[in-house]
Amino acid sequence: GQQVMQIPQYQHVQEGEDFTTYCNSSTTLSNIQWYKQRPGGHPVFLIQLVKSGEVKKQKRLTFQFGEAKKNSSLHITATQTTDVGTYFCALNDYKLSFGAGTTVTVRA
Amino acid sequence: EAQVTQNPRYLITVTGKKLTVTCSQNMNHEYMSWYRQDPGLGLRQIYYSMNVEVTDKGDVPEGYKVSRKEKRNFPLILESPSPNQTSLYFCASSLGDSHNEQFFGPGTRLTVL
Repeated sequence: GQQVMQIPQYQHVQEGEDFTTYCNSSTTLSNIQWYKQRPGGHPVFLIQLVKSGEVKKQKRLTFQFGEAKKNSSLHITATQTTDVGTYFCALNDYKLSFGAGTTVTVRA
Repeated sequence: EAQVTQNPRYLITVTGKKLTVTCSQNMNHEYMSWYRQDPGLGLRQIYYSMNVEVTDKGDVPEGYKVSRKEKRNFPLILESPSPNQTSLYFCASSLGDSHNEQFFGPGTRLTVL
């Protein structure tokens, strides 16, 4: 499958701070999906990006697709305890290839 | 309620004893797939199915079988489980193909002794 590099693997954030997780591919992507998995739960779809340079926002979450369609980022502002979990990017080419995920913990 | 169900949720078994994990969705989705999740490796696709009687290998198909005789069901079969198949398994479905939102089941935690 495609090579997916997701960084960082772990992110420890003080409540109220911002952070960003990155997803990089060695090939040009048709689209990218982002999922969130709460501890003990299953992955839940957050968003899909399709267009080069696309930026989408969901409240405090901002998703971006790179101009070359080889990378993507998820930026969370004013982190809350509800943001705890693992965030996965998934590259889509009939077979979904997931990154290893960024596991986020929040210090209150 | 639209959902993907998996059974069993937890299973402890021994090496070589055949087992089946069932997956069912009530959303009339064409695309279904199985993943395994291991620490530090994310989700790796085992098999996927584009529609009834159409299945294909994912990235880690060795040791697994699937079938898609009905649109709603996509069972995962381990003919002779081994300890390296101890993992957390997720079934997922989506409308059309993989380019759409994947709906995941609750997961099955399998331990092979």
